Amino acid sequence: DVKVTQSSRYLVKRTGEKVFLECVQDMDHENMFWYRQDPGLGLRLIYFSYDVKMKEKGDIPEGYSVSREKKERFSLILESASTNQTSMYLCASSLLVYEQYFGPGTRLTVT
Amino acid sequence: RKEVEQDPGPFNVPEGATVAFNCTYSNSASQSFFWYRQDCRKEPKLLMSVYSSGNEDGRFTAQLNRASQYISLLIRDSKLSDSATYLCVVLNSPNDYKLSFGAGTTVTVRA
Repeated sequence: DVKVTQSSRYLVKRTGEKVFLECVQDMDHENMFWYRQDPGLGLRLIYFSYDVKMKEKGDIPEGYSVSREKKERFSLILESASTNQTSMYLCASSLLVYEQYFGPGTRLTVT
Repeated sequence: RKEVEQDPGPFNVPEGATVAFNCTYSNSASQSFFWYRQDCRKEPKLLMSVYSSGNEDGRFTAQLNRASQYISLLIRDSKLSDSATYLCVVLNSPNDYKLSFGAGTTVTVRA
């Protein structure tokens, strides 16, 4: 069974803080993704990585950066958290693009 | 216009009923289509792919109508465990890395 884990289920941060969200997968997948999910908007892709140290911007990369130093780990960084980044953040990994395995999500609240 | 649009529902149906709902997509060149399922406060999981000729997986039937640019999901003999949000997902080309997710249709099956 593929397992994707995320560092926190719930996180509360203050405006302006730097925030790190970690994601680890145990299936040796090449592809890893970060999404945010907001009511009525569906999942929106923030960043994608197809290999170590490789990254591609998704639909909404502004205000975010990512790091992939090891194949199994993909980190999302909010450089200076803002209230409009309050959301559910979902990490996913895949061998085939269409069959993505998601982590349990991190509900981030920025106050 | 959103790439993928779904009726958010909710569709409230009794156990044993049949429920069906559609999803429309805006890119006529889209290649591949999928349904994901997301249980309440859980991560999305791939439910099934949608083939041009239509396909069944147990009580679930998926159809594709390229001319009208929509896909559908039908659930027969609904079970309480079918209660979930169903996400319509589109992959624009085989070489694409980005899935486009609809915001989801919520189905609630009552006893």
